[in-house]
Amino acid sequence: AQSVTQPDIHITVSEGASLELRCNYSYGATPYLFWYVQSPGQGLQLLLKYFSGDTLVQGIKGFEAEFKRSQSSFNLRKPSVHWSDAAEYFCAVGASGNTGNQFYFGTGTSLTVIP
Amino acid sequence: DAGVTQSPTHLIKTRGQHVTLRCSPISGHKSVSWYQQVLGQGPQFIFQYYEKEERGRGNFPDRFSARQFPNYSSELNVNALLLGDSALYLCASSLARGVSYEQYFGPGTRLTVT
Repeated sequence: AQSVTQPDIHITVSEGASLELRCNYSYGATPYLFWYVQSPGQGLQLLLKYFSGDTLVQGIKGFEAEFKRSQSSFNLRKPSVHWSDAAEYFCAVGASGNTGNQFYFGTGTSLTVIP
Repeated sequence: DAGVTQSPTHLIKTRGQHVTLRCSPISGHKSVSWYQQVLGQGPQFIFQYYEKEERGRGNFPDRFSARQFPNYSSELNVNALLLGDSALYLCASSLARGVSYEQYFGPGTRLTVT
């Protein structure tokens, strides 16, 4: 069965420090991969997505993610974190199969940014 | 342009009751998906509708149903409510039905079942 795992429930980083959020997926073929951010009181917003091609994808707000097929990973990175990046981050997989389209989200990683 | 809108914002229901949640997609978007987000968890996919037809279904009981109207708005219905149905229900719209299309999420409806 398809699944998405985000091993880190909560991460704290200092403002200006680099960030990496981990995501592992389980899927038979190359899935469609997404990272979303959810800020308090706001809806989910797409940061970036990967379907094929260059395994390093750039997104909004200075985020990037790298797809590694051998590790079934799609980790999110940012070179320098800003206080406004504090939020909940979700990795997601989109897949098409016998039961139609499916979307799977991880349990999320909560990011705290300290001054 | 208006984003995805959902109504109501909050709702309190009693166990065993029925609830209807509504969603209006972004203008021009023909696909609507529904998600359940329990506190502290990621969204769980319930349904996707495109052109008034179900295009995907998650692992939810038959108490959950949905439909899409000719103007592409959608309703999510939940019958025989359980305490465990308490959650934030999110609606997302996209241009078309493929999983590659970006989904735009609404603010959600907070359902509390007592």
